[in-house]
Amino acid sequence: RKEVEQDPGPFNVPEGATVAFNCTYSNSASQSFFWYRQDCRKEPKLLMSVYSSGNEDGRFTAQLNRASQYISLLIRDSKLSDSATYLCVVWGGYSTLTFGKGTMLLVSP
Amino acid sequence: NAGVTQTPKFQVLKTGQSMTLQCAQDMNHEYMSWYRQDPGMGLRLIHYSVGAGITDQGEVPNGYNVSRSTTEDFPLRLLSAAPSQTSVYFCASSAIPIGTGNTIYFGEGSWLTVV
Repeated sequence: RKEVEQDPGPFNVPEGATVAFNCTYSNSASQSFFWYRQDCRKEPKLLMSVYSSGNEDGRFTAQLNRASQYISLLIRDSKLSDSATYLCVVWGGYSTLTFGKGTMLLVSP
Repeated sequence: NAGVTQTPKFQVLKTGQSMTLQCAQDMNHEYMSWYRQDPGMGLRLIHYSVGAGITDQGEVPNGYNVSRSTTEDFPLRLLSAAPSQTSVYFCASSAIPIGTGNTIYFGEGSWLTVV
């Protein structure tokens, strides 16, 4: 089983839609979780950290389920500018920072 | 606000040549790392460091060397370039422990082509 798994997509959604991505991780001792956004040919940039109680930042909501070892990202009212690849990132302590391969989102007019 | 600075941004090498990708950060971060990103493969860790004088191998270290003589700098050396090393390289840094308010910052990437 891969350490961090994501559905590669692409997820094709119209503007205004709600879309959700999941990410599963294999290391039950993982300590910190993040969603990063990567635009084509650019560096990954932090979208949001994921906290145990769940957290929201505007149209974005992240959830963590430690029992089932997955995190999720919900995007409401999708914008064209949300088109990007979303990377799930898991920190297992010390050096074990693991990236998922990313989920591609395409938002169309 | 320099953050993480990588140079060069683009480089073409001939097979067998050596070169160094430079990475510098001005945030006093202990953790620095190098990744390569290939289509369909995601980000793969090459080498990382948790402080000056400390380095370790990641998932794909073969053909690369690193050193960490200062907190700020973490150069990546390609010893004898091969076409398989054609990729986009990202340097990243973070304070430790990652999380709890400490996040990972990336450089803008270095596009390397080996012919």
